[in-house]
Amino acid sequence: SAVISQKPSRDICQRGTSLTIQCQVDSQVTMMFWYRQQPGQSLTLIATANQGSEATYESGFVIDKFPISRPNLTFSTLTVSNMSPEDSSIYLCSVGGNGKNIQYFGAGTRLSVL
Amino acid sequence: AQSVAQPEDQVNVAEGNPLTVKCTYSVSGNPYLFWYVQYPNRGLQFLLKYITGDNLVKGSYGFEAEFNKSQTSFHLKKPSALVSDSALYFCAVRDKSNDYKLSFGAGTTVTVRA
Repeated sequence: SAVISQKPSRDICQRGTSLTIQCQVDSQVTMMFWYRQQPGQSLTLIATANQGSEATYESGFVIDKFPISRPNLTFSTLTVSNMSPEDSSIYLCSVGGNGKNIQYFGAGTRLSVL
Repeated sequence: AQSVAQPEDQVNVAEGNPLTVKCTYSVSGNPYLFWYVQYPNRGLQFLLKYITGDNLVKGSYGFEAEFNKSQTSFHLKKPSALVSDSALYFCAVRDKSNDYKLSFGAGTTVTVRA
């Protein structure tokens, strides 16, 4: 399985600011995803990070709020923009593809917005 | 459309007793089914998957799951639970035809008492 590193592991941010979360994989992967896990809830897919093109966002998520970059096959970033307390969640990066049917997850970024 | 239901928010068992975590799914085509576990302050760890073949699949840490097409179920089981199995368990599904977009259940918190 792939080794996935997410930074930061946690952060406390002020309302109105932005936070960029990094996801680094130890091998090239076809697909990278970003999920949100709100307190006490399940995972919701935010977007699929596409290498060399714009991310594909799920219903309810927009690029202005959650801009995503994927400059190569091992790295992606998710920015949570103009944060409000409602953005307090765990944000998880996952990877898949390469002929396998399994998604592997990073440890997540625990974000609290005051 | 695809979805997963985990009917139990919590499951409590005594150490050494059998553990079952229930999952039912809905997809338009053939399902790919997964179980993940989340320990406190950790990301999701892959346990096992059903893609095709034998209905009984075996995974990590002594867990197994049985795919039942007629009942659209994929219950997770362990013959003898350990205190260390206490965690949050997620069932996930995707339709074989889509590009790795997983739908997760709400999660079931398992508590194994000594």
